[in-house]
Amino acid sequence: DAGITQSPRHKVTETGTPVTLRCHQTENHRYMYWYRQDPGHGLRLIHYSYGVKDTDKGEVSDGYSVSRSKTEDFLLTLESATSSQTSVYFCAISWDRGEKNEQFFGPGTRLTVL
Amino acid sequence: GENVEQHPSTLSVQEGDSAVIKCTYSDSASNYFPWYKQELGKGPQLIIDIRSNVGEKKDQRIAVTLNKTAKHFSLHITETQPEDSAVYFCAAMEGGFKTIFGAGTRLFVKA
Repeated sequence: DAGITQSPRHKVTETGTPVTLRCHQTENHRYMYWYRQDPGHGLRLIHYSYGVKDTDKGEVSDGYSVSRSKTEDFLLTLESATSSQTSVYFCAISWDRGEKNEQFFGPGTRLTVL
Repeated sequence: GENVEQHPSTLSVQEGDSAVIKCTYSDSASNYFPWYKQELGKGPQLIIDIRSNVGEKKDQRIAVTLNKTAKHFSLHITETQPEDSAVYFCAAMEGGFKTIFGAGTRLFVKA
């Protein structure tokens, strides 16, 4: 998985609790992304980062925040988890943007919100 | 914004037959179209991509075609093998950071 790890790999939590997912890369890629994958929707971009402390929203960012204090780490936080955030979350990295934008994906985190 | 539609959602073929997956996109500014393969329990992996200035690209048993006028692109897998069984995603992007994915096609190759 191109030197990308995600933690935890599985998590079950209750509605209203905060949750933080971590993505760690050893490839020194500048760009990092968080996606969620749901049946019938493919992958949808939540947030992305184009450098340390530089982040922006994707198409489904409501209810999520991110932080990137180091090149290698990109954190996704659900401030108050809801059942609609039950999903599989994938982190991805890329060396460049645009058409040089081959993205490498991590193994995913399965999150269940009860 | 960009919207990508992918068909079919499920495809079952006999080993050795060909498989074709089709996608359409809405934003004429999109200029990069990657295809990803996702095996069970893993993250998606890029298998082939095509830029907007190219009409067709081939890599061994896999080929992708692009029709910019009609805004559609297709993945062709020839001589399918059981290990081709997976979920395939098409995607489109217009040069920025945002890749828009299709909903996916689950391919079954029957031995």
